[in-house]
Amino acid sequence: GAVVSQHPSWVICKSGTSVKIECRSLDFQATTMFWYRQFPKQSLMLMATSNEGSKATYEQGVEKDKFLINHASLTLSTLTVTSAHPEDSSFYICSGGGGIKETQYFGPGTRLLVL
Amino acid sequence: GENVEQHPSTLSVQEGDSAVIKCTYSDSASNYFPWYKQELGKRPQLIIDIRSNVGEKKDQRIAVTLNKTAKHFSLHITETQPEDSAVYFCAASFTGNQFYFGTGTSLTVIP
Repeated sequence: GAVVSQHPSWVICKSGTSVKIECRSLDFQATTMFWYRQFPKQSLMLMATSNEGSKATYEQGVEKDKFLINHASLTLSTLTVTSAHPEDSSFYICSGGGGIKETQYFGPGTRLLVL
Repeated sequence: GENVEQHPSTLSVQEGDSAVIKCTYSDSASNYFPWYKQELGKRPQLIIDIRSNVGEKKDQRIAVTLNKTAKHFSLHITETQPEDSAVYFCAASFTGNQFYFGTGTSLTVIP
């Protein structure tokens, strides 16, 4: 199946700093990438849908200025958590695919801990 | 928007028995329903999916059924094995755009 990577896999930062997470599709072109947030023992919450070359579509309740998403190429999408606070600590997972092919492939996730 | 509910939240079965997980969805426009298996600390893996023009799909020990009228779909795992223990998520999507996930079912298969 298709492979999606995420970097970094684990990050600890101080409150107030910004953190950038990269999501790459390694062996396919992902016109659409999705960003999810997952709390321990909970489901995946869709944060936003990003399409290459256009602005991301954010789900209700997700702050656009807080979670900046850029999908500059068919193989790379980035999520920047700006001015991170402890409540932003979570597991962030991206996926590529969807769209007309429907099947989405998940990255390994990034654990963010904000102190 | 779409709302997906999943039951039960936890499920324990004896090895060799069957496990059934049920999901309901609210948006009749949803037409693609994948199921994912997530082991602790790992990424979700697609195990089976079904499209709205199909009522049932089977892949070895795993099957999924879909009732469009009632807006519910179910995952069936037969002859369960310890390695089936994981958290299972259902999801609903309209043509692969915006996937909405159920709350997850933690399945434990007791040897």
